[in-house]
Amino acid sequence: GAGVSQSPSNKVTEKGKDVELRCDPISGHTALYWYRQSLGQGLEFLIYFQGNSAPDKSGLPSDRFSAERTGGSVSTLTIQRTQQEDSAVYLCASSQPTAGVDTQYFGPGTRLTVL
Amino acid sequence: LAKTTQPISMDSYEGQEVNITCSHNNIATNDYITWYQQFPSQGPRFIIQGYKTKVTNEVASLFIPADRKSSTLSLPRVSLSDTAVYYCLVGDDSNYQLIWGAGTKLIIKP
Repeated sequence: GAGVSQSPSNKVTEKGKDVELRCDPISGHTALYWYRQSLGQGLEFLIYFQGNSAPDKSGLPSDRFSAERTGGSVSTLTIQRTQQEDSAVYLCASSQPTAGVDTQYFGPGTRLTVL
Repeated sequence: LAKTTQPISMDSYEGQEVNITCSHNNIATNDYITWYQQFPSQGPRFIIQGYKTKVTNEVASLFIPADRKSSTLSLPRVSLSDTAVYYCLVGDDSNYQLIWGAGTKLIIKP
């Protein structure tokens, strides 16, 4: 596609429910990132995929958070038993390795509200 | 991972040149400096990247002194649409986990 897409754009859920957030990266991009951004704050790194593997999951805030990537393309971030402190914008980015630091292309984000 | 320090906010007026400085005292030899721009309700967008001296593209210039402990993003003749948050990041190609600070909130006034 032309850019990174994320769905849903907004998600309102009740505390304790599970949610799935989807990211469609730019076609051909091998690297995929998930971030979380609270209001007025910078981005908090969650997880990074190179192809289908996630060499570093240390950014996931708790074991309620998990992510997978299939076919080197679409990724899903799952939050189980959501808590109010999970409310934030979840951003996905993809990149293709180049010289220097990879340029990350971001999606519009999913705004998650946990009631 | 190198941490960066930027002003929390800046104001300027349309048509002015705006310079945002970022300090990164513990930058490593292999690190590059990258700036992103973020509008409300959007993901960040790459602006410019550099290693040393000066880099210029169609939207901005990046000035990096010889010691590389700071960098300055220069936006020429800003307009209201340049109102956004600007992030400075430092890392090399092995640093997928870059540190994003709170950025600099730039407000352009008419």
